[in-house]
Amino acid sequence: GIQVEQSPPDLILQEGANSTLRCNFSDSVNNLQWFHQNPWGQLINLFYIPSGTKQNGRLSATTVATERYSLLYISSSQTTDSGVYFCAVDFDMRFGAGTRLTVKP
Amino acid sequence: EAGVAQSPRYKIIEKRQSVAFWCNPISGHATLYWYQQILGQGPKLLIQFQNNGVVDDSQLPKDRFSAERLKGVDSTLKIQPAKLEDSAVYLCASSLNNEAFFGQGTRLTVV
Repeated sequence: GIQVEQSPPDLILQEGANSTLRCNFSDSVNNLQWFHQNPWGQLINLFYIPSGTKQNGRLSATTVATERYSLLYISSSQTTDSGVYFCAVDFDMRFGAGTRLTVKP
Repeated sequence: EAGVAQSPRYKIIEKRQSVAFWCNPISGHATLYWYQQILGQGPKLLIQFQNNGVVDDSQLPKDRFSAERLKGVDSTLKIQPAKLEDSAVYLCASSLNNEAFFGQGTRLTVV
């Protein structure tokens, strides 16, 4: 099956800083989504982005399908951005191990 | 629009007992997923349904886990008998047009 790798595994930021999270996948995919798991365990759908670029407020995502990676950008981070960010690929939604983000006030 | 509903939220059982989880997907969503998430790891797909048919159950431990989706709507996931290593959060998700939404999960503790 498709292998999904996320980096970095952990990220600590000061409030207001920007960050880039990466998701690499081992084969071509037809579906890619980014999720945020908040400290209470709820998984929130951020982007459905099999290719191209999307933006939603301070968050944006880019997927370069031909090079098998996707990036999630968080600008002007806030403490409420803390949690674990996952990418999931393809129709059967295989998840990476996640990036744990901690934003300090 | 109502989200994905799961119950119970928490369950504590002894090893070798059985347990069942219930999921009600978002109305109209044909695809339903069950995931197991062990603390500190990403969700692992157990089974995927398209309407009431199984699409992928390759990672479902079929000697103890079973799942069904009668009438292509609600779904139940059962574990019998439970083992200590089954302690995890069990997540249900549903999707339409490849965009998935998750329930709050059921936290299972096996003692």
